[in-house]
Amino acid sequence: DGGITQSPKYLFRKEGQNVTLSCEQNLNHDAMYWYRQDPGQGLRLIYYSQIVNDFQKGDIAEGYSVSREKKESFPLTVTSAQKNPTAFYLCASSPPISGNTIYFGEGSWLTVV
Amino acid sequence: AQSVTQPDIHITVSEGASLELRCNYSYGATPYLFWYVQSPGQGLQLLLKYFSGDTLVQGIKGFEAEFKRSQSSFNLRKPSVHWSDAAEYFCAVGASSYKLIFGSGTRLLVRP
Repeated sequence: DGGITQSPKYLFRKEGQNVTLSCEQNLNHDAMYWYRQDPGQGLRLIYYSQIVNDFQKGDIAEGYSVSREKKESFPLTVTSAQKNPTAFYLCASSPPISGNTIYFGEGSWLTVV
Repeated sequence: AQSVTQPDIHITVSEGASLELRCNYSYGATPYLFWYVQSPGQGLQLLLKYFSGDTLVQGIKGFEAEFKRSQSSFNLRKPSVHWSDAAEYFCAVGASSYKLIFGSGTRLLVRP
């Protein structure tokens, strides 16, 4: 089935460590996104990529990095510079002619211990 | 400034009762409008969207929403709520998928 796969679902990180969250889509979508969700808050855009080998910062990019080497993949690295990384992370994608509809993966929980 | 407001943090309704979730936005032009639903620990699923045309939009799971330009609102409705509708609902607005603004969400609780 077509969809967006995020892994791992749950991840624990020690302070000072970098971690990478995986996002793969087989929907043939050009654009991909990473959002962060904190309890009681809406989604905040971290990074987005409209095409391969290109990406732009969203509203809260500090402490995060991404790459887009393949159309299907958009991994997110949470670096040690991110002050408060514990959150729910959502990957999403959208087709080029979509009416701007974004489709979401199932999310990844990151906890700093 | 562009913004989305969902004024109700929690709403509790009885099963079988009608539902209306409010969404107000501030935007320079007529934006694209969306409602998403999220079950605990899951991703977001699109319920419905409005781009243009008929201001009453039908979505999945029996939901509908009405765009009211004069009130800058896009309220979500359902005539009869089912226990499985308990979830968090997000309104989103924007001019492009790269610039969507999400509201803070409304958590729906359903009484048996």
